[in-house]
Amino acid sequence: EAQVTQNPRYLITVTGKKLTVTCSQNMNHEYMSWYRQDPGLGLRQIYYSMNVEVTDKGDVPEGYKVSRKEKRNFPLILESPSPNQTSLYFCASSLSLGDTQYFGPGTRLTVL
Amino acid sequence: GEDVEQSLFLSVREGDSSVINCTYTDSSSTYLYWYKQEPGAGLQLLTYIFSNMDMKQDQRLTVLLNKKDKHLSLRIADTQTGDSAIYFCAESADSSYKLIFGSGTRLLVRP
Repeated sequence: EAQVTQNPRYLITVTGKKLTVTCSQNMNHEYMSWYRQDPGLGLRQIYYSMNVEVTDKGDVPEGYKVSRKEKRNFPLILESPSPNQTSLYFCASSLSLGDTQYFGPGTRLTVL
Repeated sequence: GEDVEQSLFLSVREGDSSVINCTYTDSSSTYLYWYKQEPGAGLQLLTYIFSNMDMKQDQRLTVLLNKKDKHLSLRIADTQTGDSAIYFCAESADSSYKLIFGSGTRLLVRP
């Protein structure tokens, strides 16, 4: 089954404790992306990747890092999380930008 | 910078048509998208339109694009209770792989 998986689905952590949210797709997609969703703000793109070892900043990259060492995985790293990073995070992938984007189920992160 | 705006809420009666509107500011937009998000779920791409098109129809969905006014609309014919969700408009430019989303329109379909 074609899918995008994210782990964990829910995470409560404390300020400053490094964390990683994993994202994996099994569709051999080149394009992958991370978004955060906040009430009243819709989705905002954090980072995207057009292919292995090619990443670029979206609208709100501050406080986040990503890597794309393999085509299927695109982890989101918060080196020193802060409460303003409490949000719902979505990973997505597509064959290319104009193609259907498949979204993961979301990761709800709370930073205390 | 680029901006995409939508009204926050729309309520319609089952069987009526729904029209969700969106305006954007980036004149270099190449692709314009409509996504649907049901409660507790991720986003699902409904349809998209290239900027050189005026209209696209896909079953009950009709997308209209007025490039001069930078206005995009999504019409859902014969709206059903299962269409109740949040609908997001998004745009991207050919020169960039960024996707810019609106804040979403919550559609409520009343029986």
